[in-house]
Amino acid sequence: EDKVVQSPLSLVVHEGDTVTLNCSYEVTNFRSLLWYKQEKKAPTFLFMLTSSGIEKKSGRLSSILDKKELFSILNITATQTGDSAIYLCAVDRSAGGTSYGKLTFGQGTILTVHP
Amino acid sequence: NAGVTQTPKFRVLKTGQSMTLLCAQDMNHEYMYWYRQDPGMGLRLIHYSVGEGTTAKGEVPDGYNVSRLKKQNFLLGLESAAPSQTSVYFCASTSLRRLSPSLRHFGPGTRLTVL
Repeated sequence: EDKVVQSPLSLVVHEGDTVTLNCSYEVTNFRSLLWYKQEKKAPTFLFMLTSSGIEKKSGRLSSILDKKELFSILNITATQTGDSAIYLCAVDRSAGGTSYGKLTFGQGTILTVHP
Repeated sequence: NAGVTQTPKFRVLKTGQSMTLLCAQDMNHEYMYWYRQDPGMGLRLIHYSVGEGTTAKGEVPDGYNVSRLKKQNFLLGLESAAPSQTSVYFCASTSLRRLSPSLRHFGPGTRLTVL
C-alpha cells in the first residue's frame, strides 16, 4: 500500500525562525513529489520535485528531494505570521504508464507562526 | 473563467439523509476528482473521472456514488449520510494534455456536517 508520512504533525514557532518540514514516502512507480500550502481553503501549489538533489526555491521557501532515501524536506527561512498554514506533501505515481493524475497525500503539518 | 466551483459551500445533514455535491469546471478539463479532508488525514481520493460518462473508485469510495454525465460537471452523492462522512470535500480538475499535477485546479471546498 502506498504511504506518505509527514513530520512533525504540528509546529509552533516565532517570527524569524527557520523551520524544516519532512515528508517520507513509500510508493510504487514514483513519478513526482509535490508540496502544497493550505490556508483554510483549497491547497495552493508550491513545488513539484522529480529529480534527487535539485533544490527548488521560491523566496524564503525551498525544497529538495532524495529519491534514494525516499524523502523530501521543505524549508522556510525567516518565518512570518503569513506562513501559518497546513503544509501538504503529495506523491504522484505512474501505473502502467498512466496514473490518471491521482495523488497520495500525507497527513499535513500544521505550522503556526507567532509574532 | 470561474475555474472550479463547488455547490453548496456548507451543509448540515441528519444521519440517513441524502444529498448531492456539485462540482463544475469551465476549463474543458477531462479529469476530475473528489477528495475528502479530515483533521490529521490530509486529502484522500474518493472517486475520480477521466472523461464524460466514466468514473472510478479512489482510496475511500464506500458510502459515496458519483456521476459524470456532462464533461463540465462531476457529482458526488451520499445516499444515506453517516456521521463518519463529516468532512471537508474538495473537487479538482486537470487537463489530459497537461496532466502535470502542478497544474491541478482545486475548488473552494464544501464543509459537510452529519449529525
